[in-house]
Amino acid sequence: EVQLEQSGAEVKKPGESLKISCQGSGYNFTTHWIAWVRQRPGEGLELVGITYPGDSDTRYSPSFQGQVTISADKSIGTAYLQWSSLKTSDTAMYFCARRNPWDYFFDYWGQGTRVTVSS
Amino acid sequence: DIQMTQSPSTLSASVGDRVSFTCRAGQSISNWLAWYQQKPGKAPKLLIYKASALQSGVPSRFSGSGSGTEFTLTITSLQPDDFATYYCQQYTKFPWTFGHGTKVEVK
Repeated sequence: EVQLEQSGAEVKKPGESLKISCQGSGYNFTTHWIAWVRQRPGEGLELVGITYPGDSDTRYSPSFQGQVTISADKSIGTAYLQWSSLKTSDTAMYFCARRNPWDYFFDYWGQGTRVTVSS
Repeated sequence: DIQMTQSPSTLSASVGDRVSFTCRAGQSISNWLAWYQQKPGKAPKLLIYKASALQSGVPSRFSGSGSGTEFTLTITSLQPDDFATYYCQQYTKFPWTFGHGTKVEVK
């Protein structure tokens, strides 16, 4: 069974750093793209970026380029989303999602990690 | 980025109703469109891909149609479990973008 298990909720202050994780199981993690999707409170879904664990190829949506870093460690089947300096506007639920191997939609999703940034 | 516009933003309906709602793309996306269902506090769930292909395990009361710039998701007989928010997503051009959702609520 394909599963994506995300790390727990985080409460941080503006300016702090953060790294959240998404561990895949039940499939070949190395050969499937993993995406991160943001959902601010009461709002819709936004693609942050996507990474291919096999060769670390990573692409960012333009509005997130330079704001976050996406990475993956294929040896432990885990993808990451990190911030070096959080802003209150980063407060959101973040989902990881597996891209379908033959197409560009998302067939499996993690349960979400809630990130709260407040002074 | 390709803009995706969903309408209506909220739809009030009753169990057993046939409901349809629309997703419009800012430019032609052929049939590269997916639909997701999301319940409060939960992750989205894939329902439909390639505009009309039903994801494995999704009930047959869900169907998708359309191509180019206009797409429709239809639920033929609304069930209690179907009250949720529905999002469309285009995947013809990166960054893949989502609509703002249609919330199906109890009438």
